[in-house]
Order: sequence, then structure tokens, then C-alpha cells
Amino acid sequence: DAGVIQSPRHEVTEMGQEVTLRCKPISGHDYLFWYRQTMMRGLELLIYFNNNVPIDDSGMPEDRFSAKKPNASFSTLKIQPSEPRDSAVYFCASGRLAGPYNEQFFGPGTRLTVL
Amino acid sequence: KNQVEQSPQSLIILEGKNCTLQCNYTVSPFSNLRWYKQDTGRGPVSLTIMTFSENTKSNGRYTATLDADTKQSSLHITASQLSDSASYICVVRGGADGLTFGKGTHLIIQP
Repeated sequence: DAGVIQSPRHEVTEMGQEVTLRCKPISGHDYLFWYRQTMMRGLELLIYFNNNVPIDDSGMPEDRFSAKKPNASFSTLKIQPSEPRDSAVYFCASGRLAGPYNEQFFGPGTRLTVL
Repeated sequence: KNQVEQSPQSLIILEGKNCTLQCNYTVSPFSNLRWYKQDTGRGPVSLTIMTFSENTKSNGRYTATLDADTKQSSLHITASQLSDSASYICVVRGGADGLTFGKGTHLIIQP
């Protein structure tokens, strides 16, 4: 398996523009997570899905952020409109959370810069 | 509020030396604790995971310990190598928040 795939790897955009980040989870994983990582705040969980259903979106910073998982093999995180404070690395992770030895496998991340 | 505090924030050691990273948490109830290694420009990769009943677990030159009574964990790296240069993140599962992440320790191994 190729692991979790994210695209693009780097995105530079101007304030006010719409940004869409994409993720393909590992086949067979029923959970998918979106994280944001900054130097100041470390890794923050934004939202996670179980079997395509959003379970907890309490980490989504505001209405400008939205995430979808239309099927088992694809998810998007959209920011509209983007702001400079959204600049961060966004990670997608997938996993199976059955039992205590749950593990999430992270993608390589998308580095977003909003000018 | 559930918190995970890691120390030191950053550490520089010479190749071949040992080092220990610390993780203190206030998450309750506790389910498990995981250490991740994150290389620059990559996503985190799991090193070890420990549940309440496990005191120590090794993965090659990495040994993690857990004291559930004092809510402390450590990650010991033996005979460090240049490839150990990375950020090490402690993540605790449990409590109402589900997963609580530490901000990581940035480790630099110098030749």
C-alpha cells in the first residue's frame, strides 16, 4: 500500500482565496483524521470521520473550514476564504480504532502558505 | 483540562550518546500513550504505544517507560544516530478529548 496520500504537497495562495486540500486514506481504514500543525500550537485535531460520517468537528477553528468524505477513498479539507493565520502544515491520517492499540498512519502533509 | 507537557522543548546531543525525553500528562481517564517520531517534512510515525498495565516497551534503540501513577512517560534513545534527528511527539488517548498531543521535543544529533 502506498500509505496515506495527500495533495498538493505545497500550496501558496493569497488571502481571500479558496484552498482545497485532498487526502486518500489507506485502503480498509475506516477512520480518517485531519490535523493542523504549527510551531506555536503543535498538532491539533480538526475533524475526524468514521465510515464517511463526521464524528467530531469541534477542532475546526471556524466556519471558513469545512471537510467532506464522500466515499471510503477520498476526503477534502476546504478553507474559504483563506487568511494568513491559516498558514500551517495540514496532515491527513487514517486508521482502524478498534481496541486500545489504535494507530493512525499519517500522510506527508500539505504545507499551506497564505500571503 | 487534559494536557500533555513535553520536555525539553529542544535538545542537541552528539552522535553515539544516549538521551531521555520526558512526557507528563493530566489526561483522565487514561487509555494509552503513544510516542511518535516526526522527521522534517514528513508526517509522524508511531514508535511505541503503551496501555495502563505496561511499564516499558522497546523498539530497537528506543525504549519508552510509563508510570501511570505519576502520569509520566519517558522515551530513551540509546547510542544515538544522525537519523534520530527529528521531533518526538507524545500523544495520550483518554478523557473527553479523545487524543491529546504534546508539542514535541525537537532533537538534533550532531556528528
